[in-house]
Amino acid sequence: NAGVMQNPRHLVRRRGQEARLRCSPMKGHSHVYWYRQLPEEGLKFMVYLQKENIIDESGMPKERFSAEFPKEGPSILRIQQVVRGDSAAYFCASSPIGSNTEAFFGQGTRLTVV
Amino acid sequence: GESVGLHLPTLSVQEGDNSIINCAYSNSASDYFIWYKQESGKGPQFIIDIRSNMDKRQGQRVTVLLNKTVKHLSLQIAATQPGDSAVYFCAENGNAGNMLTFGGGTRLMVKP
Repeated sequence: NAGVMQNPRHLVRRRGQEARLRCSPMKGHSHVYWYRQLPEEGLKFMVYLQKENIIDESGMPKERFSAEFPKEGPSILRIQQVVRGDSAAYFCASSPIGSNTEAFFGQGTRLTVV
Repeated sequence: GESVGLHLPTLSVQEGDNSIINCAYSNSASDYFIWYKQESGKGPQFIIDIRSNMDKRQGQRVTVLLNKTVKHLSLQIAATQPGDSAVYFCAENGNAGNMLTFGGGTRLMVKP
């Protein structure tokens, strides 16, 4: 049973470009969470999605950031017009049900904006 | 606001000694807690969890203690090994939907 798969592992974008980060949850998991981690810091919640639904996006910046989890295919975190401050590691986690169960994390995508 | 925090940012221990990593939380509604281990360049790895109806839970070489009175969580690692060197995060779930709130992390360094 493959774990949470994220790609790409490393992504370099110039300022103003778009970044697309992909996350395939573990088999049988229908809940996906995106977190952002700056160097030497903890993980900050961004968004919680179920298939075709955004459940909680309270951690998402109001502009340039969006997320989706379509009926088919991976979850996508999209960052438009990237700026240097977007450079971070972005982690995806998945769980089989929504509440009080362990969440399994992927290896992350390290975004560098130059 | 509600937060989860750690007392010690860096902990250095001798190989073979026991390690204790502490965490304070402030959300009294939290009823589920997890410890994660994160090695350099990798994603967080689940270590052990505990629910609020328990005060202690043991795994292989690890024990988590929960003191709800003072809102304190600790992770004990027995016979610490070089492979235990990593950053350890506590996380709590005080809300529906498994949205975890993470502490800032403690770096554990194991000296041979």
